Amino acid sequence: DIQMTQSPSTLSAYVGDRVAITCRASQSITRWLAWVQQKPGQAPRLLIYKASTLEGGVPSRFSGSGSGTDFTLTINSLQPDDFATYYCQQYNSKPYTFGQGTKVE
Amino acid sequence: EVQLVQSGAEVKKPGESLRISCKASGYTFSTYWIGWVRQLPGKGLEWMGVLYPDDSDIKYNPSFQGQVTISADKSTTTAYLQWSSLRASDTAVYYCVRTSATQYPDSWGQGTQVTVSS
Repeated sequence: DIQMTQSPSTLSAYVGDRVAITCRASQSITRWLAWVQQKPGQAPRLLIYKASTLEGGVPSRFSGSGSGTDFTLTINSLQPDDFATYYCQQYNSKPYTFGQGTKVE
Repeated sequence: EVQLVQSGAEVKKPGESLRISCKASGYTFSTYWIGWVRQLPGKGLEWMGVLYPDDSDIKYNPSFQGQVTISADKSTTTAYLQWSSLRASDTAVYYCVRTSATQYPDSWGQGTQVTVSS
């Protein structure tokens, strides 16, 4: 199975900050990477797929980059609605696997 | 609009059986992979397995192989997750998830809370 490692596990930030979350795969996944956002008590929501493609309706302050084994989710000008937990997920091969999550607080 | 509507919360005793459901609508059910994700209390997300309804091909995460059964009924466009003998460690929220044509997780159900306690 492909292991996904996110860092940091927790990120403390203020409204207006630019934040970055990294995700590393244990082997190359080309660009088959998604980012999802989860708020407490809610189902996750897709933000980005294919490493950098924004899902419809997702604000443009979110962006993704990377390929191979190293990926980054960046949030420009953090908004109050963005305080949540973020997960990367590879879909290069089954079983699909998530990173352990990054809580933005 | 793609919709995945899951069955309601369950409270069961250890050793009991359970089947939870996920009713899909708004797309051609047979031609997209659909699967289940577990979230233990206060923990992260784990893929359990995915199924392709058109030919019932199922890919289980090895961690869940033999522990659960994933199935689907094309006639009712419903996916299922089943346990034959629940354990307290199965207490979690379970999400059904559709994957896109290129297999990213594009639609999520609202989640089903399963509580197993004596």
